[in-house]
Amino acid sequence: GESVGLHLPTLSVQEGDNSIINCAYSNSASDYFIWYKQESGKGPQFIIDIRSNMDKRQGQRVTVLLNKTVKHLSLQIAATQPGDSAVYFCAETGQAGTALIFGKGTTLSVSS
Amino acid sequence: NAGVMQNPRHLVRRRGQEARLRCSPMKGHSHVYWYRQLPEEGLKFMVYLQKENIIDESGMPKERFSAEFPKEGPSILRIQQVVRGDSAAYFCASSPRQGASGYTFGSGTRLTVV
Repeated sequence: GESVGLHLPTLSVQEGDNSIINCAYSNSASDYFIWYKQESGKGPQFIIDIRSNMDKRQGQRVTVLLNKTVKHLSLQIAATQPGDSAVYFCAETGQAGTALIFGKGTTLSVSS
Repeated sequence: NAGVMQNPRHLVRRRGQEARLRCSPMKGHSHVYWYRQLPEEGLKFMVYLQKENIIDESGMPKERFSAEFPKEGPSILRIQQVVRGDSAAYFCASSPRQGASGYTFGSGTRLTVV
């Protein structure tokens, strides 16, 4: 089946470190990818997105990298802060472009 | 500018009862999407609606589940004769146009079936 998965269920870093969260996707026809942050008891919050015609996109303290050759997506967070602690999901669109396919998530824990 | 509003935030139902989950999209958004999240899992797409129309219900179980988005009022996800396996967090997202870009999610309704 088509699915999006993450390599590690948990990631622990020290405050100030850079964090890298990885995701592998299986549908080579997907053309839009999004990273979401979900804090406990809340809905997913948009972080950054990227289309398949790009391989890198930068935001404020975050960078998304897309490697279509190996169907790999990553989220880099610079100077990680305690407020970054949350579950991070990657998601892709199916061919219809409306339904998002989510991976299982990586729990990021940032210690001071 | 209020975001996507979902209510109730928490809902407890006994097996066999009905559950009604409400979602008011962001102002100016006419596209609504419902997702379900089981503990420790990612979100699973259920249904996509525009005003008065169901566009894609491929992720919604054929029995006991229904959704609507009337001309006036919020979108409703209805679960009849709930079972323990329906216990989950249900999230609604809205967007101003078709497609996943511009999605905004609500805070969800946590349904517990006892």
